[in-house]
Formats: sequence, structure tokens, C-alpha cells
Amino acid sequence: SQQGEEDPQALSIQEGENATMNCSYKTSINNLQWYRQNSGRGLVHLILIRSNEREKHSGRLRVTLDTSKKSSSLLITASRAADTASYFCATDSSGGSYIPTFGRGTSLIVHP
Amino acid sequence: DAGVIQSPRHEVTEMGQEVTLRCKPISGHNSLFWYRQTMMRGLELLIYFNNNVPIDDSGMPEDRFSAKMPNASFSTLKIQPSEPRDSAVYFCASSPSGAYNEQFFGPGTRLTVL
Repeated sequence: SQQGEEDPQALSIQEGENATMNCSYKTSINNLQWYRQNSGRGLVHLILIRSNEREKHSGRLRVTLDTSKKSSSLLITASRAADTASYFCATDSSGGSYIPTFGRGTSLIVHP
Repeated sequence: DAGVIQSPRHEVTEMGQEVTLRCKPISGHNSLFWYRQTMMRGLELLIYFNNNVPIDDSGMPEDRFSAKMPNASFSTLKIQPSEPRDSAVYFCASSPSGAYNEQFFGPGTRLTVL
């Protein structure tokens, strides 16, 4: 089944640095979503990017989508300790189920 | 809006017992999802309802698991009998319309089966 795979599995940076996470998927999609999960909490939606879009911004977040490479990246600029969390991409499948499936996530630690 | 509400937040039970997890979606949302999260398997979709009707239950592990949505404001996930391998965090999420929109997650129920 379609499932995004995040890379790297874990990322450790200093406050103020940028954090980049990647998501790769196998089949064509309609949408790709990024979510954040703080420890012990539910997932929180960050950004949805559609297959005909190449880039979206939301505050310090920038998401790009390259459908030719079947990949997306999430960039967090000027990271803060509060950005420490796991980040997941969720992809649907344009040729099959519209239900998004989640990858294993990238665990981000931002050191103050 | 209070967001998606799940109860209980924590459940500890013994193998063989029946467990019922509850979810109240956000008012006005048409879609409801049940997920299970473990370190080994990540976040797995168990079942998806649209307008109270189960659309996709292919993720339900086995007959011990059942889910209902008797009305637009309430859903249950039942495990009977429970087994230690069912230990996980179970999340409920709701979405305004359709599976491909933003999902709003509840805080989860941490289930431990001894």
C-alpha cells in the first residue's frame, strides 16, 4: 500500500539552525500532508500540499513537492526547542484509496 | 471547540478482558478514523467511517476488534478478548469531509494489556 517514508529517522540540531526532513513515496498522489506529534500527544496537522503545487509556506515551515521524484521535504527555519517532536508525512494514492497513510516519522530534537 | 475527545486516556487491563475505547469527533465532521500506534509498526489505520458508515476496515487486525459509530457524535472501538500484543496508543481522528482532508487527532488512549 502507499506509504510515505520519512528520512532521516532522527535529527538532532541546535536552536536557531534549520531542520530539513524528507518524505518519499511510491505511487502517484493527490495530496501530501505533514503532521507533527509531540511526545505523548496526538498528531497535529501542519500543511497539506496538492499534487499540482510545488511549494507552500506556513510561518517558519516550507514544504516542497517534486512529483517527478515522488518526494517532499519539510523545512523548519530558525528552529526552536519547542519544535522538538516527531514529524510525519501522509500520502494518499491517486490510483487507489484516498485515505492517507502515514510513514514512520522523523524524530527531531532541537537543543536549546 | 473542544477538539476530538477520547476516553479513557489510560487503560490497564488483564489479558482476556474486554476493552472499549470511546471517541467524540469534532461537531460537523463527517469522517472518523481509528489508528493504532506502536514503536514496532508505527501509525496504522484500523478503520475509517464516513457519515457513520464504515468505509474501510481492512486495517482491523482480527475479529477480536470491532468498531461502531451509532451516530455522528460518538464512536467506539472494542477489543474482546484483549491480548498483550494489543498494547498500544489508540488514536481517534476526525475530518471535515472526506478522507483526503486535514485530520484532527484526539489525545489518544494508552492501552496496556497485562
